[in-house]
Amino acid sequence: DAGVIQSPRHEVTEMGQEVTLRCKPISGHNSLFWYRQTMMRGLELLIYFNNNVPIDDSGMPEDRFSAKMPNASFSTLKIQPSEPRDSAVYFCASVLTGANTGELFFGEGSRLTVL
Amino acid sequence: GDSVTQMEGPVTLSEEAFLTINCTYTATGYPSLFWYVQYPGEGLQLLLKATKADDKGSNKGFEATYRKETTSFHLEKGSVQVSDSAVYFCALRITGTASKLTFGTGTRLQVTL
Repeated sequence: DAGVIQSPRHEVTEMGQEVTLRCKPISGHNSLFWYRQTMMRGLELLIYFNNNVPIDDSGMPEDRFSAKMPNASFSTLKIQPSEPRDSAVYFCASVLTGANTGELFFGEGSRLTVL
Repeated sequence: GDSVTQMEGPVTLSEEAFLTINCTYTATGYPSLFWYVQYPGEGLQLLLKATKADDKGSNKGFEATYRKETTSFHLEKGSVQVSDSAVYFCALRITGTASKLTFGTGTRLQVTL
């Protein structure tokens, strides 16, 4: 089975540009999480969805960040406009809630550099 | 709020040395506890878990015991290998929070020959 698929793997952009990160969760999983990883702050939960509905977006740093999950097999995280402090690795993870394993399956991440 | 505290790294060990990475937690409910590992350039993957007090999780020679009295879940391995070099994350999940995990900051382990 394919794991969680994220794209792009690497993105370099200039300040002020729009950035869109994409995620395809594991088929059959009903919860999806977006995390951000930086050296300074470690791994932070930005937002998570259950059955395509946003449940908790309290980790989204500000209005420049938005996330959508239009269907069970696709999610996007958008930053507009991007700033240098947004440089980080963004991870998507999915899980079948109710399976009670607690095991999140992570993608390989999207490394964003904002110049 | 719920939180996880890990020892700061990096931890540098020689091959075959004994490893301990400390992890303590604060939780309002009854958490399940996890260790995830991140190899260079990859996402996190589950290493082991424990769902109730006194449970011991184990995998690939790593062990951790859920100690409710000390609110700890320290990771140990008797003999590390170079291939164990990675970042290790301790995490908790409160029952009923739909798989939402709270992670520690991670501890980098470097094993040398």
